[in-house]
Amino acid sequence: IAGITQAPTSQILAAGRRMTLRCTQDMRHNAMYWYRQDLGLGLRLIHYSNTAGTTGKGEVPDGYSVSRANTDDFPLTLASAVPSQTSVYFCASSAHRTGYNEQFFGPGTRLTVL
Amino acid sequence: LAKTTQPISMDSYEGQEVNITCSHNNIATNDYITWYQQFPSQGPRFIIQGYKTKVTNEVASLFIPADRKSSTLSLPRVSLSDTAVYYCLVGDIGSSASKIIFGSGTRLSIRP
Repeated sequence: IAGITQAPTSQILAAGRRMTLRCTQDMRHNAMYWYRQDLGLGLRLIHYSNTAGTTGKGEVPDGYSVSRANTDDFPLTLASAVPSQTSVYFCASSAHRTGYNEQFFGPGTRLTVL
Repeated sequence: LAKTTQPISMDSYEGQEVNITCSHNNIATNDYITWYQQFPSQGPRFIIQGYKTKVTNEVASLFIPADRKSSTLSLPRVSLSDTAVYYCLVGDIGSSASKIIFGSGTRLSIRP
């Protein structure tokens, strides 16, 4: 059982390039999330999806887009990367129900935009 | 949004009990209190969740007073492997994911 996988593990990207970070879970969780974590800081929510076919904006959605075509996959796209998007990106999933706050996190993708 | 305040860092020694307190003065009626642990270069890991009074599991206890304006994560007999950042979250991700805030956490260092 893999849990949550993210790809790539790390990436160096030129500014202005398009990049898609991949996230797949095998726990059949309804909800999935994307966070970014800047050096020495806490996690900030970018986008989330409570169920396949729906998405929502988090605290820092600008410059990012997501899609949720099925239960397992939740890709995050940077349409035109900028240096301020240099960060570690974590994908997470959870069973979507009221009063249940356990999220399962992937190993992260370290992205550097030059 | 329910803002949380935690100490930036704490130090302790192996075998000691460690208590990390989180303040959340504007917690809402439907909010839960959840704690996560994060090791370097890893994603956070769920530790414990509670609504009121005391919750205990195999790794920690969570104490929540009646007014729910604060909470205390208690780690019994810590070891070097408990060195990590601990985050206190307030909210209910099942109701409103966008209102969950991780904050900067408490950096716990355990010494031999």
